[in-house]
Amino acid sequence: GAVVSQHPSWVICKSGTSVKIECRSLDFQATTMFWYRQFPKQSLMLMATSNEGSKATYEQGVEKDKFLINHASLTLSTLTVTSAHPEDSSFYICSAHPLTPNGANEKLFFGSGTQLSVL
Amino acid sequence: AQTVTQSQPEMSVQEAETVTLSCTYDTSESDYYLFWYKQPPSRQMILVIRQEAYKQQNATENRFSVNFQKAAKSFSLKISDSQLGDAAMYFCAYRGSGAQKLVFGQGTRLTINP
Repeated sequence: GAVVSQHPSWVICKSGTSVKIECRSLDFQATTMFWYRQFPKQSLMLMATSNEGSKATYEQGVEKDKFLINHASLTLSTLTVTSAHPEDSSFYICSAHPLTPNGANEKLFFGSGTQLSVL
Repeated sequence: AQTVTQSQPEMSVQEAETVTLSCTYDTSESDYYLFWYKQPPSRQMILVIRQEAYKQQNATENRFSVNFQKAAKSFSLKISDSQLGDAAMYFCAYRGSGAQKLVFGQGTRLTINP
C-alpha cells in the first residue's frame, strides 16, 4: 500500500532555533499534502495545505512566517518551524493522497508524525 | 464551515462485547465522504472505515460497521467482538467532495477491559 514517510520522528531543540520536518510520499506522487498539529489528548488541527509548485494555503490563525512550508516536488513537502518556542511543542503529522484522475475518491495516507519539544 | 462532533470523550467495553461510538456532523453539501480513523498509542493514523454520502448502504469492514443516517447527519461506528488491540483514540472525519482536507472530530478514547 501507499506509504508516507515523515522525518524526524522526534526532535528536541533550543528556543529560538529552527526545525525542519520532511514528509515524503514513497510510492506515489502527490500534488497536495497536508500538515496537522495535535496537542496531547486533542484532535488533529489542520495547519496548512501544501501545494506542489505554488504557495501553501494556511488555515486561519496559523502564522505563515512561523510555519514555512515548501513543496518543491511531487513527493516531498517540508514544514519548517522558525524561531521555535516552547509553545510550539506539539505533535505534527503530514498526510497525502495519490495523484489520480479521480483523486476525490482516494483515501489519505498519514505520516507517522513528529514530536517536537522546544526547551 | 463543516464541523464534526464526537460527544463521547471516553468509552469502555468488555473484551468480546460490542461498542458504538457516536459522531455527528454539520454540512450544507450533498456529496461528501465520512471516515473513522484509529490512533493507537504509536500515534499512527489508521483508516478504519470510509463511507461515501451518495451510498445508502452502510459500509462494513470485518468487525467494524457504520450506521450512516444522512438526514440526521449522524455517522456512528460499531465495533463487534471487541479485542484488546482495538484500544485507541478514534476520530470521526469529514471531507467534502471537492476538497481533499479532512475535518476531524474531537476524538473518543476507547478502552477495552479484559
